[in-house]
Amino acid sequence: NAGVMQNPRHLVRRRGQEARLRCSPMKGHSHVYWYRQLPEEGLKFMVYLQKENIIDESGMPKERFSAEFPKEGPSILRIQQVVRGDSAAYFCASSPGGSSTEAFFGQGTRLTVV
Amino acid sequence: GENVEQHPSTLSVQEGDSAVIKCTYSDSASNYFPWYKQELGKGPQLIIDIRSNVGEKKDQRIAVTLNKTAKHFSLHITETQPEDSAVYFCAATGEGGNNRLAFGKGNQVVVIP
Repeated sequence: NAGVMQNPRHLVRRRGQEARLRCSPMKGHSHVYWYRQLPEEGLKFMVYLQKENIIDESGMPKERFSAEFPKEGPSILRIQQVVRGDSAAYFCASSPGGSSTEAFFGQGTRLTVV
Repeated sequence: GENVEQHPSTLSVQEGDSAVIKCTYSDSASNYFPWYKQELGKGPQLIIDIRSNVGEKKDQRIAVTLNKTAKHFSLHITETQPEDSAVYFCAATGEGGNNRLAFGKGNQVVVIP
């Protein structure tokens, strides 16, 4: 049973380009969370999705950031027109949902904006 | 929203000694408290968790205690080994019941051989 899969592991983008981060949850998990981690900081919640629905996006910047979790395929975190301040590690976590609260994280995507 | 704080930020212990990390939280409605271990370049790994209806939970060398009245919970690692060296994050469920986690800033634990 594979864990949470994120790709790419490392992503370099020039300022103004778009970044697309992918997350495939654990088998049987229908809930996905995205978190951002700055150097020497804890993880900050960004968005919570279920299949085809955004449940809570209160941690997402209002502009340039979007997320989706389609019926088929991985969850995508999209950052348009990246700026240097977007450089961070982005982690995805998944959970089964329902009464289960355990969240399991992927290895993350390290985004560097040059 | 929920605010989680961790102390100390860095902890060095001799191999074989115990390590204790303490976290405080602000939202009395929080009811789930996991601990994650993060090694360099890797994602956070869930190592133990506790729910608000339990005061203590143990798993081999790792234990977690919860004091709901004081709103703090602690991670205890006994008989530390070099492979315990990592950053440890505590977290608590946020508001709204959507299971999103509010994290502390992390503790760097260094086990000295």
